[in-house]
Amino acid sequence: QVRLQQSGAGLLKPSETLSLTCAVYGGSFSGYYWSWIRQSPGKGLEWIGEINHSGSTKYIPSLMSRVTISLDPSKNQFSLRLNSVTAADTAVYYCARGYNSQSSGIPGHWGQGTLVTVSS
Amino acid sequence: QSVLTQAPSASGTPGQSVTISCSGGSSNLGSNTVNWYQQLPGAAPKLLIYNNNQRPSGVPDRFSGSKSGTSASLAISGLQSEDEADYYCASWDVTLKGFWVFGGGTKLTVL
Repeated sequence: QVRLQQSGAGLLKPSETLSLTCAVYGGSFSGYYWSWIRQSPGKGLEWIGEINHSGSTKYIPSLMSRVTISLDPSKNQFSLRLNSVTAADTAVYYCARGYNSQSSGIPGHWGQGTLVTVSS
Repeated sequence: QSVLTQAPSASGTPGQSVTISCSGGSSNLGSNTVNWYQQLPGAAPKLLIYNNNQRPSGVPDRFSGSKSGTSASLAISGLQSEDEADYYCASWDVTLKGFWVFGGGTKLTVL
């Protein structure tokens, strides 16, 4: 059973860079899509982007200029970087893996979530 | 403003059936399947239904999903108190390079 464990800084100042890592236990990187999704306080879910096992990425248009998702199979982890954060980026950030080999793109296994607060 | 539209709230009493709806457009629900997530208070979302009507292992058959055109529905029968949660629909949008879109969520209250 795959388990995703998130880590990273939870408090940032405006203009700083958000950096989160998702460690993967119990599963392979091959054949899956790895996503980051966020949820602003009291709000709904917003997909940020994804990376596949080959390193190909897709991002939501509204964040494309500031976001980078990368993969490190040797460390069994993938990461999110979001530049120039503002208060609007305050949210719980989740990492997720595709559900199974037949539905490898559907975020089906989620990390525990990391609350990131942007405040001066 | 979410790309997929859901009613903000729904309610029912134990044992009743409830339906939660999701409306989209030609670039998302009209082109791709729908997935549903259940989010209990303070927890990460959990995949409840995928590919319109498939249940991951462990999800009770009280939960069922359907899709027609640009609309989708999640039905819950035999409502239980532990079903009280937020429910989100999601679909892949084929605009530009493609991206996942979610509904704004429906908060289900079990009275």
